[in-house]
Amino acid sequence: GNSVTQMEGPVTLSEEAFLTINCTYTATGYPSLFWYVQYPGEGLQLLLKATKADDKGSNKGFEATYRKETTSFHLEKGSVQVSDSAVYFCALSPPSGNTPLVFGKGTRLSVIA
Amino acid sequence: SAVISQKPSRDICQRGTSLTIQCQVDSQVTMMFWYRQQPGQSLTLIATANQGSEATYESGFVIDKFPISRPNLTFSTLTVSNMSPEDSSIYLCSVDSYKGTYTDTQYFGPGTRLTVL
Repeated sequence: GNSVTQMEGPVTLSEEAFLTINCTYTATGYPSLFWYVQYPGEGLQLLLKATKADDKGSNKGFEATYRKETTSFHLEKGSVQVSDSAVYFCALSPPSGNTPLVFGKGTRLSVIA
Repeated sequence: SAVISQKPSRDICQRGTSLTIQCQVDSQVTMMFWYRQQPGQSLTLIATANQGSEATYESGFVIDKFPISRPNLTFSTLTVSNMSPEDSSIYLCSVDSYKGTYTDTQYFGPGTRLTVL
């Protein structure tokens, strides 16, 4: 079946540090891949997505590249800010379409000044 | 992208009571999804609601506990019935289409934060 595995948190970084949150997936075919972010007390917001192999999604300084050979979609940011403190969810959309997302367990990021 | 609103944004309820959560979308959508997010956890799909048909529930969720209505293409409600403290969660609705066109991206409402005492 379809599944998403992301690194356990919490992750604590100092401001301006480099961020990597690992995400790997299992799926039949070629799913679309997503990163969602949930700021404290809020719902989920789409951060970025990639729909085919080697695509790079990017937004707000975050990037993730769809790696078919390693079935991965790792989230990176070169210099985190305190305002990036949130929970990050990796997710996939099965290639069959019209089916709900499959989410990872989420990774809590805390950035300290 | 779709704009989704939910009411109420939060509530504190007594054990044994029921709460109905509303989800309104700014365009017609085919399917709406209801998720539960328990404290510190990821999202779990409760059910998928199509307009004009019964909702489809995921394993572990039943209609008597979580009845869903879908009266039209822009609106849905989820009721949490006979609540217990274990129902304390954030409930989120989402859609995967915009202006009638399927997208492979799901958009989420802001969530309803429920606390059951």
